[in-house]
This record gives sequence, structure tokens and C-alpha cells, in this order.
Amino acid sequence: GENVEQHPSTLSVQEGDSAVIKCTYSDSASNYFPWYKQELGKRPQLIIDIRSNVGEKKDQRIAVTLNKTAKHFSLHITETQPEDSAVYFCAASQAGGGADGLTFGKGTHLIIQP
Amino acid sequence: EAQVTQNPRYLITVTGKKLTVTCSQNMNHEYMSWYRQDPGLGLRQIYYSMNVEVTDKGDVPEGYKVSRKEKRNFPLILESPSPNQTSLYFCASSLRDRGTGYTFGSGTRLTVV
Repeated sequence: GENVEQHPSTLSVQEGDSAVIKCTYSDSASNYFPWYKQELGKRPQLIIDIRSNVGEKKDQRIAVTLNKTAKHFSLHITETQPEDSAVYFCAASQAGGGADGLTFGKGTHLIIQP
Repeated sequence: EAQVTQNPRYLITVTGKKLTVTCSQNMNHEYMSWYRQDPGLGLRQIYYSMNVEVTDKGDVPEGYKVSRKEKRNFPLILESPSPNQTSLYFCASSLRDRGTGYTFGSGTRLTVV
């Protein structure tokens, strides 16, 4: 089955700086890569996703990049703000096919320092 | 409002006492899944269902059962709970093509003593 590794487990950045979270996956058949944000005590919520036919996707201050050859994808947050503090999860799956669901990384606790 | 509803939000029970956590979605999603979340381990899939009467094991199915008799409901059953099942549980649903991402329920925090 799929295995997703996520780094770092904790990331502390100054407010206004950029943050980068990296994930690798093992199954070359995976073609859908979402990112979820989980605030303390709340449910995970989808913030951005990318499919394997695209190398980069942006949505305001967040962007995701995908390197299919290296089986590596990353989340980039620019101009970080206090409300960006949360746990972020990457995930991988075979959208539109395959029997199993999303496989998640273990999460990154992002701390925005004032 | 489109949502996934889980109940209860919090539950404390004793070892061996059967319990059911309910999950219902109103988005006509074919795919539903249960995850447990533990510190340092992330979200691990317990069971999933591709559609009515179709269920399969995820990565950590031991000690759990599920059923999918109706499209909207996907209950999680612990026949004989044990303390190692103390965890935060999330139900999620999505369209058959999971390229649309999951919608998660609010979570159920279960403590087994």
C-alpha cells in the first residue's frame, strides 16, 4: 500500500516569513495529493489539492508543488499570519480508481511566532 | 448545509461494553471512511465503504466493525472496546472520484477505561 512521509513534524517561523512542509509518497500510481489544515480541537479541512497532471497550484498565500519523478510534493505558505498556526497533513491517493482511500502523513505542527 | 454529522462528540465507556458511533452525510457521497487520530501517528484509516453494502478494511481494522445499509449512514461499531481504542475518531465522505477531497465530521473523542 501507499506510504506517505511528512517533514518536519514541528515548524516554527516568524510571522511574515514563509513556511514549507514536504511530503514523499511511495506508490507511483497515486495521482491525487490534498493538504488539510487542522486547528486545535477541530476537524481537518481541505486547503488545497493537486493532481498528478499539474506541477504547481496556487491559491492566494498557499501553493503546492509536485515532482512526480521524485514522488515528492510540498506545501508553501507565504507571508505567514497567526491564524496559520495549526497542524497540517499531506495525503495521497488514486483518485477515480483503486479501492483504498487517502493515506495521510503524520502531520506538521506549524507555529507562527509573533 | 452540506455536512458530515458524527455522534456522540465525547464518550467515556468501560472495557468490553459495546458501543456505536454514528456517521451521517447529506451530500449523496458514495465513499465513506473512518479514521482514528493519535498523537504522533496522524490519521489512520480503519474501514471504508465504496457504496451501499460495500465495505473493506483499512490499515487498522482490528477491534472494529462497520456497516453500510444506506448511502448516507456509516456507523462504527466497537463490539468489545479496550483501552488501546481510546482515540479521536473521524468519519469522512467524498464522491466516488476522490479527486474532490474528503469532508470530515466533527470528530468523536472516545475514552475506554
